[in-house]
Amino acid sequence: QIVLSQSPAILSASPGEKVTMTCRASSSVSYMHWYQQKPGSSPKPWIYATSNLASGVPARFSGSGSGTSYSLTISRVEAEDAATYYCQQWSSNPPTFGAGTKLELK
Amino acid sequence: VQLQQSGAELVRPGASVKISCKAFGYTFTNHHINWVKQRPGQGLDWIGYINPYNDYTSYNQKFKGKATLTVDKSSSTAYMELSSLTSEDSAVYYCARHGNYFDYWGQGTTLTVSS
Repeated sequence: QIVLSQSPAILSASPGEKVTMTCRASSSVSYMHWYQQKPGSSPKPWIYATSNLASGVPARFSGSGSGTSYSLTISRVEAEDAATYYCQQWSSNPPTFGAGTKLELK
Repeated sequence: VQLQQSGAELVRPGASVKISCKAFGYTFTNHHINWVKQRPGQGLDWIGYINPYNDYTSYNQKFKGKATLTVDKSSSTAYMELSSLTSEDSAVYYCARHGNYFDYWGQGTTLTVSS
């Protein structure tokens, strides 16, 4: 199965800062999806097919990448962005998730 | 669109449990229902999916023999039965609809396996 490695595991940022988190796949994938999860809540679709924002996601979020390397960028972090972000692929079975990047606000 | 899951379960080791996921707001047979496991403080693990249109199922190899997926089309409800429960099965279980990605999720069902 394809293993997704997310880095960093924990990302600490100040409001207004630009941040980027990455997701590396053990084999090439066609696209990557991203989900946001806050404590006690279900994951929410956040970015789909590498670069498309899900409904309601602020425009300060963006996604990019290809092959084995993908990233999620927040242009100016806000307090409400504190959460864990998971990448996910289904280019091959079984679908797999990364271990997550936890974004903390300073 | 909404997926409404059954409530928290406390079950004994060795027992089985059946969790439900009732779909609202769309044509149930048009989308696969997936199940995902999340252990406390851990990441997300895909269990498998069922196609409500034809009852076709696909399982993650690590959950074969542990999970059984079924649907009741008449009530737009998907079910996951977990058998021979151990403490390793204690987790939150989510159902999720798959369009081109996991676009809608249930609220999660917490399963605690304890004597």
